[in-house]
Amino acid sequence: TQLLEQSPQFLSIQEGENLTVYCNSSSVFSSLQWYRQEPGEGPVLLVTVVTGGEVKKLKRLTFQFGDARKDSSLHITAAQPGDTGLYLCAGPSGGYNKLIFGAGTRLAVHP
Amino acid sequence: AAGVIQSPRHLIKEKRETATLKCYPIPRHDTVYWYQQGPGQDPQFLISFYEKMQSDKGSIPDRFSAQQFSDYHSELNMSSLELGDSALYFCASSLTGVRETQYFGPGTRLLVL
Repeated sequence: TQLLEQSPQFLSIQEGENLTVYCNSSSVFSSLQWYRQEPGEGPVLLVTVVTGGEVKKLKRLTFQFGDARKDSSLHITAAQPGDTGLYLCAGPSGGYNKLIFGAGTRLAVHP
Repeated sequence: AAGVIQSPRHLIKEKRETATLKCYPIPRHDTVYWYQQGPGQDPQFLISFYEKMQSDKGSIPDRFSAQQFSDYHSELNMSSLELGDSALYFCASSLTGVRETQYFGPGTRLLVL
């Protein structure tokens, strides 16, 4: 069974700080996705990483896919209150690529 | 850009009633997925459809059924509702070739009283 473990579960920081969120598995994934979810809303896709070792940047967010395609990280530079939310990593499983999710990292950025 | 549309956004039902949730995928997307998210939990896969045929099945109760129609919209039918069915239900859609890139709708919040 493929599992994704995220750490930390909760993160509370001050505006302007940097942070890194991790997503780990013992299984190899063909790709990993990162989503951000607000309370009561649907997950919003941030990025898909496909190639081992790949680094993608989205403004102040940097995503990395591990060389062995078993892990990924999300680094946020100079966090802002608008970054507050639940960050979920997900990976495809099975022929039709249903997604399995990590438990998420709940980030709170305080002004 | 068009997004996934779900209706209704909120639904309140009594135990043992039925509910129907609707999903309209992004235009030209041919695969639809349904996920259930309980309070404080991550989304769990229920069922998916590709070209109107069921393609995969997860932990979906036998009381639930779903289908995809000729216009690619999908409906999740839930019968004999239980208190534990209270959750957020998300529909996501994707395109063949990039199925791992799924776009989620805003969800339907179901409350069973």
